[in-house]
Amino acid sequence: QVHLQESGPGLLKPSETLSLTCAVSGGSIDTTYWWTWVRQPPGKGLEWIGEIFHAGNTNYRPSLRSRVVISLDKSKSQISLTVISVTAADTAVYYCARVRLEKSAKVFDHWGQGILVTVSS
Amino acid sequence: DVQMTQSPSSVSASIGDRVTVTCRASQVIADYLNWYQQKPGKAPKLLIYSVSNLESGVPSRFSGSRSGTDFTLTISSLQPEDFATYYCQQSYYTPGGGFTFGPGTRVDIK
Repeated sequence: QVHLQESGPGLLKPSETLSLTCAVSGGSIDTTYWWTWVRQPPGKGLEWIGEIFHAGNTNYRPSLRSRVVISLDKSKSQISLTVISVTAADTAVYYCARVRLEKSAKVFDHWGQGILVTVSS
Repeated sequence: DVQMTQSPSSVSASIGDRVTVTCRASQVIADYLNWYQQKPGKAPKLLIYSVSNLESGVPSRFSGSRSGTDFTLTISSLQPEDFATYYCQQSYYTPGGGFTFGPGTRVDIK
């Protein structure tokens, strides 16, 4: 059974860079899956951030594209999320998830437990 | 990009009730619609994918359907463990939009 675990700093100051990693166990990340990041501001709904394929292809939410990078480290079985120039609006629980293809449809079938990142001066 | 709306935003129901949640897409998304369940403090859990396909391990009291750009999640007989927030998600990827979740429907105890 695949397991995902997010890690990283929980508190940042405005203008700093958010860096999170998602460790994948119980399965290889170098397979025919996409891997994605989703965030959820406190008390609010889910917001898709972006995704990466094992071959390195990426897609990002248009409103975040200029500040976000998602990358893979296959040797460590990790997916990383970097968000530059954070503001209070980036305060959220950040989830990584595995993306399975069902014919041509993408479904987020396994999720990490999430990590709360707070941006505050 | 595709916008998703959900109704109602919340519903109070009793054990054994039939509960229906509706999700509407702003444009045609074919069958690219998934449903997730989220309990407080927990990650979302995939329930149904591609409109009506039950994820492995999900009870058969959950079902999904589609009429045009309207999608429905039905819980046939509400159980105590079903009290949660339910999100629809369109996976009709477009370069200008990506994937979108609905705002969520909270199901709580009457």
